[in-house]
Amino acid sequence: GESVGLHLPTLSVQEGDNSIINCAYSNSASDYFIWYKQESGKGPQFIIDIRSNMDKRQGQRVTVLLNKTVKHLSLQIAATQPGDSAVYFCAENRLAFGKGNQVVVIP
Amino acid sequence: EAQVTQNPRYLITVTGKKLTVTCSQNMNHEYMSWYRQDPGLGLRQIYYSMNVEVTDKGDVPEGYKVSRKEKRNFPLILESPSPNQTSLYFCASNPLGGNQPQHFGDGTRLSIL
Repeated sequence: GESVGLHLPTLSVQEGDNSIINCAYSNSASDYFIWYKQESGKGPQFIIDIRSNMDKRQGQRVTVLLNKTVKHLSLQIAATQPGDSAVYFCAENRLAFGKGNQVVVIP
Repeated sequence: EAQVTQNPRYLITVTGKKLTVTCSQNMNHEYMSWYRQDPGLGLRQIYYSMNVEVTDKGDVPEGYKVSRKEKRNFPLILESPSPNQTSLYFCASNPLGGNQPQHFGDGTRLSIL
């Protein structure tokens, strides 16, 4: 079957480098944002979230940055590993999903 | 283990033959929803349910039905499938209160010939 990664912006990154994935959102009233990771053959999995009263939140190897002025969200992955190869989606207020970005990690 | 379970995972069938995709969650979540995922279009919501016996249309409900007779189950029904319903389908659930992420099943790939 066709991969969900087709037709998506793709980021190729060398193993061990940092990755940055960007997402623009449209609704200035959105107050909650989520990043999901979707590996091949699986459903989206929650990575990290952030509320609109914050501009940065860190997890294990991942950091989400929120810029409400320009309605922009980014996900930073430190020391990218082969297991990070996936499609990454942002979502605003749980339900409005971006189309996704494919990350390909080169060993 | 907290999970959302969909069945079947894969199905190839023919136009007009009724089919049901089941979805079950074991987290006592009030909110459940169905999405279809198509290349270049991302995730689009088909139907959602905020609790037992309460269902509403999402963005692309045409050709689909759902029911929510029990809190844990939210089946998706295609009464007369057509080839344009060939897609990858995901069920998801989450608690209603507060801002919390959705939990997704692993997907059902439907091919309608």
